Amino acid sequence: SAVISQKPSRDICQRGTSLTIQCQVDSQVTMMFWYRQQPGQSLTLIATANQGSEATYESGFVIDKFPISRPNLTFSTLTVSNMSPEDSSIYLCSVGMDSSYEQYFGPGTRLTVT
Amino acid sequence: EDQVTQSPEALRLQEGESSSLNCSYTVSGLRGLFWYRQDPGKGPEFLFTLYSAGEEKEKERLKATLTKKESFLHITAPKPEDSATYLCAVQGVSGSARQLTFGSGTQLTVLP
Repeated sequence: SAVISQKPSRDICQRGTSLTIQCQVDSQVTMMFWYRQQPGQSLTLIATANQGSEATYESGFVIDKFPISRPNLTFSTLTVSNMSPEDSSIYLCSVGMDSSYEQYFGPGTRLTVT
Repeated sequence: EDQVTQSPEALRLQEGESSSLNCSYTVSGLRGLFWYRQDPGKGPEFLFTLYSAGEEKEKERLKATLTKKESFLHITAPKPEDSATYLCAVQGVSGSARQLTFGSGTQLTVLP
């Protein structure tokens, strides 16, 4: 398994601003992912964060809105840009273990946009 | 496109009353089926991975089983601390590598 931390744990932001969420893992991992969980709903994959290359985005998510960095094998950031109230969600990072198909999740960042 | 349907949406049990949660799935080829537990305001906690039909895994009061079309999470003699939302996810051979498709979850409440 892996121990994953996220910062901040929660934030309240104004419409039109941006927030950067950090994800730190206690060991080197090849695969890191960012998910969104809207209120009362399940998880939706935003993108796969690739170390040393551009992130791979899922349908409905674009780099201009959700830029992602992955500078090394233990760290990634997700920025939510030009926020609107519809961006109010829990944002989760996860890591995929190289030795299995299992994924482990961080504690999440609860974002409220007013 | 991979799809996951969980039922029931919500389940209320008395302490000690055993029951099962269902996860039906459609994938072009199954790499793995995953069960997670999610407490309010927290990230999903990994419980089990099942890879092939007939496989079973157990952890304390929980037992997960897998067929070619569905998985069950059996809860034996549940306790109030088992109250949480249980999420099922699949990883198929199509789509992004390691991409998980989640169901909407079953919210379990165990009453003392």
